[in-house]
Amino acid sequence: DQQVKQNSPSLSVQEGRISILNCDYTNSMFDYFLWYKKYPAEGPTFLISISSIKDKNEDGRFTVFLNKSAKHLSLHIVPSQPGDSAVYFCAAMTDSWGKLQFGAGTQVVVTP
Amino acid sequence: DAGVTQSPTHLIKTRGQQVTLRCSPISGHKSVSWYQQVLGQGPQFIFQYYEKEERGRGNFPDRFSARQFPNYSSELNVNALLLGDSALYLCASSLGFGRDSTTGELFFGEGSRLTVL
Repeated sequence: DQQVKQNSPSLSVQEGRISILNCDYTNSMFDYFLWYKKYPAEGPTFLISISSIKDKNEDGRFTVFLNKSAKHLSLHIVPSQPGDSAVYFCAAMTDSWGKLQFGAGTQVVVTP
Repeated sequence: DAGVTQSPTHLIKTRGQQVTLRCSPISGHKSVSWYQQVLGQGPQFIFQYYEKEERGRGNFPDRFSARQFPNYSSELNVNALLLGDSALYLCASSLGFGRDSTTGELFFGEGSRLTVL
C-alpha cells in the first residue's frame, strides 16, 4: 500500500524558472516530511524537511510547503539550475528517523 | 570524513543462492537502516538497527535478515534469492534514533546493486 505518492514521474523545466514537485500522502500519522535528491550511481542525499506543525520551510533556493488538511506537500526550486537535474524523492516519517516511507520519485530535467 | 560505505557495489547471483551485503556507517553514527530500491520505485524500508538491536522491520519475508555489530557496522542477508530480489540495496546511518532526537538526518551510501538471474 503506497502511503506516499508522487504522481509525476518526470518534470522538465527551463534553467532559471521555477520547478514545482508534488507529493501526496494517505497516513495521517506522518508528522515529519523530507525531500531527498538522487543522482545516478549515488545514494539519496537529504535536501530539506518540514515538521507537521509548520506549513512552510525555506532553505536557499528550496522551499517546502505542507498542507495537512489536503495531505499534500510540494517542493519549489527557484531558480532552477542544470545541477538540479536529478530524481527527487518525497519521504515521510512517523516514529523513527531511520524508518522512512518514500514516494516513487520525480525525475527533474533542467534544460538550458 | 568517510561517508556511509557499502560493499560490494555490484553482484550477480542465481535464484536460490544467498547473499550478504555490508555497510559501515559514518563514524559516531549508531543507527543503521536498510532499504530496497526496485527500478522505477522509491526506496522501501527493510530494517533499522540502533545500538545493535533491531528497532524496526518493514514488510519483507523472513528470507531477509540483518544484524549490527559492536562497531555499528551492519550486514543484510537474503536467503533463497528470487528474481524479484534484484534491486539496489541502500544502507543509511544516522546519529539519532528516536523522535526526540534532533540529529536524525539519514545519510545514505551509494548502494549495492544486486542482480538475480
